Amino acid sequence: DTEVTQTPKHLVMGMTNKKSLKCEQHMGHRAMYWYKQKAKKPPELMFVYSYEKLSINESVPSRFSPECPNSSLLNLHLHALQPEDSALYLCASDNPGTGTGELFFGEGSRLTVL
Amino acid sequence: GENVEQHPSTLSVQEGDSAVIKCTYSDSASNYFPWYKQELGKGPQLIIDIRSNVGEKKDQRIAVTLNKTAKHFSLHITETQPEDSAVYFCAASRSGGSNYKLTFGKGTLLTVNP
Repeated sequence: DTEVTQTPKHLVMGMTNKKSLKCEQHMGHRAMYWYKQKAKKPPELMFVYSYEKLSINESVPSRFSPECPNSSLLNLHLHALQPEDSALYLCASDNPGTGTGELFFGEGSRLTVL
Repeated sequence: GENVEQHPSTLSVQEGDSAVIKCTYSDSASNYFPWYKQELGKGPQLIIDIRSNVGEKKDQRIAVTLNKTAKHFSLHITETQPEDSAVYFCAASRSGGSNYKLTFGKGTLLTVNP
């Protein structure tokens, strides 16, 4: 099983809504990532969890709140978003410290903020 | 920090022709250089990678070359097929740490015309 599964695939929300994006992997990876990707741009790193602890926060606004309940799950809680937050949100995972370097990406959750 | 430049931004070739995408990086400490393919509506997928102790790596129709002195690396796709049409991202990082950050190039939209 070499998949990173993200739900939902599409999400439309208003600026006052609270929603969550979910990510799951069963490859035994101990690092999980959230990336944001705007159209025709490369992925931008948002957060990194290593061994279920937040290790990198790329100065992301507090309206994005990550959570790592266990080594297989990663959530991104969304609250009071702005229209400019509309983007493809990608989850990825790998094994820290192995030196293999390969990041496994999910298919992404396409978010539209009205 | 690392800066990765990628050229060209768009590339159109006829089926069966070769395609070459070039990237340069700025951080001489970078030692891991992956290439990701992103099809429309999907997450990026690793297609090939190379480490700084290797000059060239090949996998069927895909090859990557690395020139550490000049700090550039290239993706070569031979005998292109319509299913090769996608956005290709190069990236660079220092691998092997507990967490590392991939710095992506801006991407190349490859179109293979039948």
